[in-house]
Amino acid sequence: EAQVTQNPRYLITVTGKKLTVTCSQNMNHEYMSWYRQDPGLGLRQIYYSMNVEVTDKGDVPEGYKVSRKEKRNFPLILESPSPNQTSLYFCASSLSNYNTGELFFGEGSRLTVL
Amino acid sequence: AQSVTQLGSHVSVSEGALVLLRCNYSSSVPPYLFWYVQYPNQGLQLLLKYTSAATLVKGINGFEAEFKKSETSFHLTKPSAHMSDAAEYFCAVSDDAGGTSYGKLTFGQGTILTVHP
Repeated sequence: EAQVTQNPRYLITVTGKKLTVTCSQNMNHEYMSWYRQDPGLGLRQIYYSMNVEVTDKGDVPEGYKVSRKEKRNFPLILESPSPNQTSLYFCASSLSNYNTGELFFGEGSRLTVL
Repeated sequence: AQSVTQLGSHVSVSEGALVLLRCNYSSSVPPYLFWYVQYPNQGLQLLLKYTSAATLVKGINGFEAEFKKSETSFHLTKPSAHMSDAAEYFCAVSDDAGGTSYGKLTFGQGTILTVHP
């Protein structure tokens, strides 16, 4: 089954404790991206990757890191989480960079930073 | 810069009634436009998309949307609401027509649709 898998789905952590949210897709997609969803703000892009070893900042990259060492994986790293990073995070992938917006989304990771 | 505005954060309809969710966009180039749906505790799914072909676009589950360039709108409609349509709906725009946005979508704030029996 074609899917984007995120882990963990739910996480409560404390300020400053490094964490990683994993994302994996099994569709051989070139393009992957991370979004955060906050009430009243819709989805905002954090980082994206056009292919292995190629990443770039989205609209709200502060406090986040990513890596793309393999085509299927695109982890999101919070080196020192803060309460304003409490949010619902979505990983998404697409077949190619020059796609027509058909993003495939994971089920989301709800993060709470105390 | 492109942007999307969804009018109404909450819309409530009765089962069987018309569904109308409003979306207006701004874009410096001819846009690609999308509607995504998010059911509770799930990720977003593509409902339909406009990519400069027919201005009336039909999607899944009986939804359709019409691109109106003069009004910079892309409103989502369904003639008869069903209980299973209750979800949050997002309009999104991409200026990928120029091949430079690397597949980035700009999303609206979302509209929560409630369907009453």
